Amino acid sequence: DIVLTQTPLSLSVTPGQPASISCKSSQSLLHSNGKTHLYWYLQKPGQSPRLLIYEVSNRFSGVPDRFSGSGSGTDFTLKISRVEAEDVGVYYCMQSIKFPLTFGGGTKVEIK
Amino acid sequence: QVQLQESGPGLVKPSETLSLTCTVSGSSINSDYYWGWIRQSPGLGLEWIGSFLHSGTTYHNPSLKSRGTISVDTSKNQFSLRLTSVTAADTAVYYCARVRTSGHFHECFEIWGQGTAVTVSS
Repeated sequence: DIVLTQTPLSLSVTPGQPASISCKSSQSLLHSNGKTHLYWYLQKPGQSPRLLIYEVSNRFSGVPDRFSGSGSGTDFTLKISRVEAEDVGVYYCMQSIKFPLTFGGGTKVEIK
Repeated sequence: QVQLQESGPGLVKPSETLSLTCTVSGSSINSDYYWGWIRQSPGLGLEWIGSFLHSGTTYHNPSLKSRGTISVDTSKNQFSLRLTSVTAADTAVYYCARVRTSGHFHECFEIWGQGTAVTVSS
């Protein structure tokens, strides 16, 4: 199975400051179709996970542009340019290049 | 607006079978999307259970050791999960979701239900 390792486990951020989360994969997520199948989710307290970023760097519908994704191969990063109070929750990365689909362990973001 | 709603018993006894249903509105499960089940437990985090396409293509997580089966009722626009021989390790919140699908390629879960909590206990 592909293992996704997220760091840090938790993050405490002052509103208006940036935040960055890393996701490292045990195998390359670049498919022969040219796409890299790495995704980011945010799970706010008491809610279902919500898709933020698909294929490394594409924001899903309705996602604010303060969220951005980057990376290639096995190393990926989610960045929040200016954290807002509504961004609290747990962020997960996910891969779908190979079954079984797997998720990272999550990074909890809190506001200082 | 696409919505998914899970339903099923909140409590199941060990060794019995867990049955959950996902009712979809705003999108046909006969359309060219995969649909899937995911669960979340404190110990294992988010775990993919399985996904299917209306054509019959189905994928399951081998970690469930063939205990999980997904079935479809197109007349009700519903799909279901059966998980046999449950143990305490199957205690989790279970989600159904629509998959972002590209040319029959299973991408990510783009729309999720609100989830239903299941406890396995005698």
